[in-house]
Amino acid sequence: SAVISQKPSRDICQRGTSLTIQCQVDSQVTMMFWYRQQPGQSLTLIATANQGSEATYESGFVIDKFPISRPNLTFSTLTVSNMSPEDSSIYLCSVDPGSRSYTFGSGTRLTVV
Amino acid sequence: AQRVTQPEKLLSVFKGAPVELKCNYSYSGSPELFWYVQYSRQRLQLLLRHISRESIKGFTADLNKGETSFHLKKPFAQEEDSAMYYCALGGNEKLTFGTGTRLTIIP
Repeated sequence: SAVISQKPSRDICQRGTSLTIQCQVDSQVTMMFWYRQQPGQSLTLIATANQGSEATYESGFVIDKFPISRPNLTFSTLTVSNMSPEDSSIYLCSVDPGSRSYTFGSGTRLTVV
Repeated sequence: AQRVTQPEKLLSVFKGAPVELKCNYSYSGSPELFWYVQYSRQRLQLLLRHISRESIKGFTADLNKGETSFHLKKPFAQEEDSAMYYCALGGNEKLTFGTGTRLTIIP
């Protein structure tokens, strides 16, 4: 299975600022997924990122708030823009290296103050 | 729409007793079901998939399409089974997660 390196592992940010989260995979993958896990809740898919095309966002998530880059088949970034305390969550990236064996990064714990 | 329901947020079981974590799903297509586990301070990891029909760490899960369920079972709980368990439904190349069940094994 794929190994995912996600960073930063945690951050405390001021409201109104932006944070970019990086996700690096040790193998080439077609799709990368970004999830949010709010405190005490389950994982919610934010968007799916394919290399060479615009990310596909789920209902309730927009590109202006969560811009995503996917410059190649092993890397993606998610930016949380103009942050508010409601954005405090764990953000995770995930890939499917094949055979529907979805693998997750260790997550980024974001606190907005 | 895809939906996954895990009715128990918390479940405590004595060591050596059987474990069953419930999962029900709603999906109009052909479902792919997964169980993920997150141990303390570790990342989310795949425990098993219905398509593999495998047993991992003594856990099994059978897809029941009639009852739209994919319950996770283990005959004899071990202390190291204490963790957060998530049921997930794969459809349209994305996963929908349940709210999770925190399993605590009592020594």
